[in-house]
Amino acid sequence: DIQMTQSPSSLSASVGDRVTITCRASQSISRFLNWYQQKPGKAPKVLIYAASSLQSGVPSRFSGSGSGTEFTLTISSLQPEDFATYYCQQSYSTPWTFGPGTQVEIK
Amino acid sequence: EVQLVESGGGLVQPGRSLRLSCAASGFTFDDYAIHWVRQPPGKGLEWVSGISWNSGSIVYADSVKGRFTISRDNAKNSLFLQMNSLRAEDTALYYCARDSQLTVAGTGTYFDFWGQGTLVTVSA
Repeated sequence: DIQMTQSPSSLSASVGDRVTITCRASQSISRFLNWYQQKPGKAPKVLIYAASSLQSGVPSRFSGSGSGTEFTLTISSLQPEDFATYYCQQSYSTPWTFGPGTQVEIK
Repeated sequence: EVQLVESGGGLVQPGRSLRLSCAASGFTFDDYAIHWVRQPPGKGLEWVSGISWNSGSIVYADSVKGRFTISRDNAKNSLFLQMNSLRAEDTALYYCARDSQLTVAGTGTYFDFWGQGTLVTVSA
């Protein structure tokens, strides 16, 4: 199985900050990497698929990059509604696996 | 509007069975593969199982293989998860999630819509 790791596990940031979250895969997954946002008590929501494609309706302050084993999710200017937990997920091969999550908190 | 509504969760003793359902609406159900993804309380996401549009391809996580059975009824726009021999570690919120593709193990797929989940608690 492909193992996914994320760093940091949590971060504190202020509104307007630029935030970067890193996801690493245990083997090359090309660009088959998705990012989800989950707010407390809510279901996850896809933000980015195929490493850098923005899902319809997702604000353009979210962007993704990377290939192979290292990927990043960037929020260019953090907004109050962005405080949530972010998960990466590989879609290279089953079983589909998620990273452990990165919790973005208000500073 | 795409909607996925899970039901069937509850408190069950270890070793017993439970059947989850997911009712879909707002899209052509048999155009998509569908999955179950679970989340233990306070923890991360774990993919459980997926089924292709026509039930021709089914995949399971090793942690549930041989105990859980996924199925779908396209005529009723419904997805099911039969869970047998339940263990404490199966305790979680179970989400159904729509695949972006027809096939269940397609490279590059992603989960584009999710239900709100149904809670399964396995405890004596």
